[in-house]
Amino acid sequence: KAGVTQTPRYLIKTRGQQVTLSCSPISGHRSVSWYQQTPGQGLQFLFEYFSETQRNKGNFPGRFSGRQFSNSRSEMNVSTLELGDSALYLCASSLGDHRQSSGNTIYFGEGSWLTVV
Amino acid sequence: AQTVTQSQPEMSVQEAETVTLSCTYDTSESNYYLFWYKQPPSRQMILVIRQEAYKQQNATENRFSVNFQKAAKSFSLKISDSQLGDTAMYFCAFMRANNDMRFGAGTRLTVKP
Repeated sequence: KAGVTQTPRYLIKTRGQQVTLSCSPISGHRSVSWYQQTPGQGLQFLFEYFSETQRNKGNFPGRFSGRQFSNSRSEMNVSTLELGDSALYLCASSLGDHRQSSGNTIYFGEGSWLTVV
Repeated sequence: AQTVTQSQPEMSVQEAETVTLSCTYDTSESNYYLFWYKQPPSRQMILVIRQEAYKQQNATENRFSVNFQKAAKSFSLKISDSQLGDTAMYFCAFMRANNDMRFGAGTRLTVKP
């Protein structure tokens, strides 16, 4: 079955603009999580959504937000972009239920490369 | 807060040899999950192996195995018969039961021919 799909793969934005990234999870997966990867900070957890509700949140400012739709697809939005927001944004999906065998094993998409100039 | 430490920023190994990547973590929880992910130059994160904390038996996936020491909070990855395709960044990750996952800083592994 198809893996996690992220769009767009590459984008360039100007400081002060906003950006929306999209993620389609593996079919049947109800949990979608987002990560930011930078050379300086490594992989950092942004937030996780399960059944349209934000279930976990990392330590990022309010400019970073997300949502999940009834079909489990998710979007994340970054407003008022700063140069430091330049990063690879990774989306991952899982069944979202640790009570199921491998229910919380997450599978990643290829990422969206964001460059802020 | 949960932290994950990978003390080896870079490692190298000759093709066909064995290498062990280290990972330690800090948590007060008893129920959690540990993972190793591989990120090759394509930047696609690939699951290598998974371990539930309540299982004492070490997980194994073909040439990859772990040494899980719960009391010591250690979770090392052993790669046997290293192949050129194993060259990648390797990330150790800790996940609480509520799906909150944290990653280590990564170890860059180079397999030399």
